[in-house]
Amino acid sequence: QTVVTQEPSLTVSPGGTVTLTCASSTGAVTSGCSPNWFQQKLGQAPRALIYSTNKKHSWTPARFSGSLLGGKAALTLSGVQPEDEAEYYCLLYCGGTQGVFGGGTKLTVL
Amino acid sequence: EVDLVESGGGLVKPGGSLRISCVASGFTFSKAWMSWVRQAPGKGLEWVGRIKTKSDGGTTDYAAPAKGRFTISRDDSKNTLYLQMNSLKTEDTAVYYCITTLGYWGQGTLVTVSS
Repeated sequence: QTVVTQEPSLTVSPGGTVTLTCASSTGAVTSGCSPNWFQQKLGQAPRALIYSTNKKHSWTPARFSGSLLGGKAALTLSGVQPEDEAEYYCLLYCGGTQGVFGGGTKLTVL
Repeated sequence: EVDLVESGGGLVKPGGSLRISCVASGFTFSKAWMSWVRQAPGKGLEWVGRIKTKSDGGTTDYAAPAKGRFTISRDDSKNTLYLQMNSLKTEDTAVYYCITTLGYWGQGTLVTVSS
């Protein structure tokens, strides 16, 4: 059973830059894992931000970007806004058939 | 405007069955791979399974907890996705979301498994 690991929590100052990562227990995350990133604010349904490693949806703010970094998938927020405070989840399909979510990163903007 | 509306959630006893639905609009449903994701109260997201388009074979994939108990199906004529859940356990209690690979999510339907 694949385990996907994210930082449990991160704190960033408004206007700052922060990188969230997503690692797989099966080895290095590659583009073949088709990394997706989602944002969930308190009491709301999740919202998709990034798919296929670095592709943005039409509604994804420009300050969000996806990449591969050191064998992990990464989500970078540049110029963080107070409204970016949320839980962030990655989703990987490293086995090709089954998707696995990470445990989520609680991002605090302080 | 894209919309996904889940329905059919409710209270069911352990060992029981339930079928939930997701009606899609605003995009070509028959061309979209669809997935179910769930979230237990106060917990993170859990991928349940997905179904490909008929043109891609219409095959399904499931997470380990769902395999053998849950069945995902689709009716492209009704733009509807289904999740049939059998042999339900208390740990299946969650909000169930349908999502598309296009990035859209429904608002979810709550399934509570309790005696």
